[in-house]
Amino acid sequence: DGGITQSPKYLFRKEGQNVTLSCEQNLNHDAMYWYRQDPGQGLRLIYYSQIVNDFQKGDIAEGYSVSREKKESFPLTVTSAQKNPTAFYLCASMSDLETQYFGPGTRLLVL
Amino acid sequence: GNSVTQMEGPVTLSEEAFLTINCTYTATGYPSLFWYVQYPGEGLQLLLKATKADDKGSNKGFEATYRKETTSFHLEKGSVQVSDSAVYFCALSDRAGYSTLTFGKGTMLLVSP
Repeated sequence: DGGITQSPKYLFRKEGQNVTLSCEQNLNHDAMYWYRQDPGQGLRLIYYSQIVNDFQKGDIAEGYSVSREKKESFPLTVTSAQKNPTAFYLCASMSDLETQYFGPGTRLLVL
Repeated sequence: GNSVTQMEGPVTLSEEAFLTINCTYTATGYPSLFWYVQYPGEGLQLLLKATKADDKGSNKGFEATYRKETTSFHLEKGSVQVSDSAVYFCALSDRAGYSTLTFGKGTMLLVSP
């Protein structure tokens, strides 16, 4: 089945630690996106990538980093500079038809 | 810049009631409009979309019409079910190549038997 997978489902971060969230897609989509979801805030764009080896900052990129070495993969690192990382993180991909397809999400909690 | 405004929730209805969730937008140009649905603990799923004025998107009994004159894209369903309980997001795309989406804050729908 084609789709987007995110792992892990739950992730715990200690003070000062960097953690990496995985996002993989087998839909052969060029564009991939990372969103952060907080209660009552809707979705906010962190980073997006339209092609391999290229990515753009979204509205709330500070404290996050990404890479896009393969078309299928777009990992997100939450760095120690992100002081309020507790949130639900959603990855998405898009074909050239404007529709974004979302993964099941990773919930990040701070210990 | 682009923005999407949705009615605040939660919206609480009894089964078989009529549903309307209001959505208005601000955008330059001619955006495409979307409704996504999120069930508890899951990612978002596309519910329906419309790409130009007067288009009607429909899926699973839900409908929304792209109204350029009122910059609105209200979601409606004639008879809701308990299984429709979820959070609904209105969104627009800026249609600039591989576009980014601007989301509303979401509206929670709770349907009781």
